[in-house]
Amino acid sequence: QSALTQPASVSGSPGQSITISCTGTSSDVGGYKYVSWYQQHPGKAPKLMIYDISNRPSGVSNRFSGSKSGNTASLTISGLQAEDEADYYCRSYTSSTTGVFGTGTKVTVL
Amino acid sequence: EVQLVQSGAEVKKPGESLKISCKGSGYTFTNSWIGWVRQMPGKGLELMGIIYPSDSDTRYSPSFQGQVTISADKSINTAYLQWSSLKASDTAMYYCVRGYYYFDYWGQGTLVTVSS
Repeated sequence: QSALTQPASVSGSPGQSITISCTGTSSDVGGYKYVSWYQQHPGKAPKLMIYDISNRPSGVSNRFSGSKSGNTASLTISGLQAEDEADYYCRSYTSSTTGVFGTGTKVTVL
Repeated sequence: EVQLVQSGAEVKKPGESLKISCKGSGYTFTNSWIGWVRQMPGKGLELMGIIYPSDSDTRYSPSFQGQVTISADKSINTAYLQWSSLKASDTAMYYCVRGYYYFDYWGQGTLVTVSS
């Protein structure tokens, strides 16, 4: 099972919006509603930001939103802040294995 | 408060065995899947496998099948990840996670260093 494809890096200025894509196949992203997103700051454990494509856990800022179209899921961060600078990973359920993570995207706040 | 507390960092030699642990609290341990995620230095996240502590149903990712063993002791709310013969390439941070379709809680991580 190959990792889902994410851009290596995305950057934006404070206050701007950025979108991170996560591309898979009809066997994973395109076939299920079980896409999740994780934020990881350096030296820290990852944190769940979005689950089931577009749901936010309690305590996660509403500046973070998720969506899906076909085999590509997206995470949008609006009103970009310095604290959003981190690595972001998507993940999808697959029927054939235990699921697959994306390759990861480094978000830089300019 | 849900917590997953992992055992401490380990330094081992190639060929040695190792078992690291993850203790869950603040929820019914037997009602949720527990998984292990590997993160090699400077690299991304990889799910190694998951276990359902209630009946020990265990599922491994293809890359890790036969390389590690995942187990759980529901009497003490603890999941384990073990190696019978470590390799230098097992050097990584290992996280335990709660969940199946998504991972809502993560342990603090256990750094495993394998070096001669």
